[in-house]
Amino acid sequence: KNQVEQSPQSLIILEGKNCTLQCNYTVSPFSNLRWYKQDTGRGPVSLTIMTFSENTKSNGRYTATLDADTKQSSLHITASQLSDSASYICVVGNQAGTALIFGKGTTLSVSS
Amino acid sequence: DAGITQSPRYKITETGRQVTLMCHQTWSHSYMFWYRQDLGHGLRLIYYSAAADITDKGEVPDGYVVSRSKTENFPLTLESATRSQTSVYFCASSADRDTEAFFGQGTRLTVV
Repeated sequence: KNQVEQSPQSLIILEGKNCTLQCNYTVSPFSNLRWYKQDTGRGPVSLTIMTFSENTKSNGRYTATLDADTKQSSLHITASQLSDSASYICVVGNQAGTALIFGKGTTLSVSS
Repeated sequence: DAGITQSPRYKITETGRQVTLMCHQTWSHSYMFWYRQDLGHGLRLIYYSAAADITDKGEVPDGYVVSRSKTENFPLTLESATRSQTSVYFCASSADRDTEAFFGQGTRLTVV
């Protein structure tokens, strides 16, 4: 069964600290992996998209990594800010392009 | 304004009533999607459309109907609303199936 599992479920960090969110997937055949940020009450916003051949992609303070062999991805946030408080969702696309499988998200709270 | 917009933002309806949620995008994206987001679940695909007059079922299509007579609009209709359809509904669009998807602000639907 195609699944996307994220950990931790929630995380609290102090402003200025770094953190790493994890994503494991069983989607096969795999096409791409995406990370989205969703603020409370808003729609998800794309952070990165990686294909099978890419193993890292950055978007400002956000860096995503992908290991297609172990089917794992991580999202690293550097020098966190209060505005980083949100849900971060890992999404995997299948090769047929017929489905995006969403993880349940990691809720990040950044405190001052 | 450019972008993707959903209406209404909030809706309360009674069991058994027909409800239509609207989605409009200004990019002329080929692909459009409807998702629902519930606590304890990742976003789940209801229906998607690859082009005008082409629609296909997603993971949870029962009780929903879509149409796409124009590229820019993708309405979602609940033919006879049930309490289990209480959810937050997101519309999204993308130029291609493997490219970045842009989400609307969401419609919070409550069926009483």
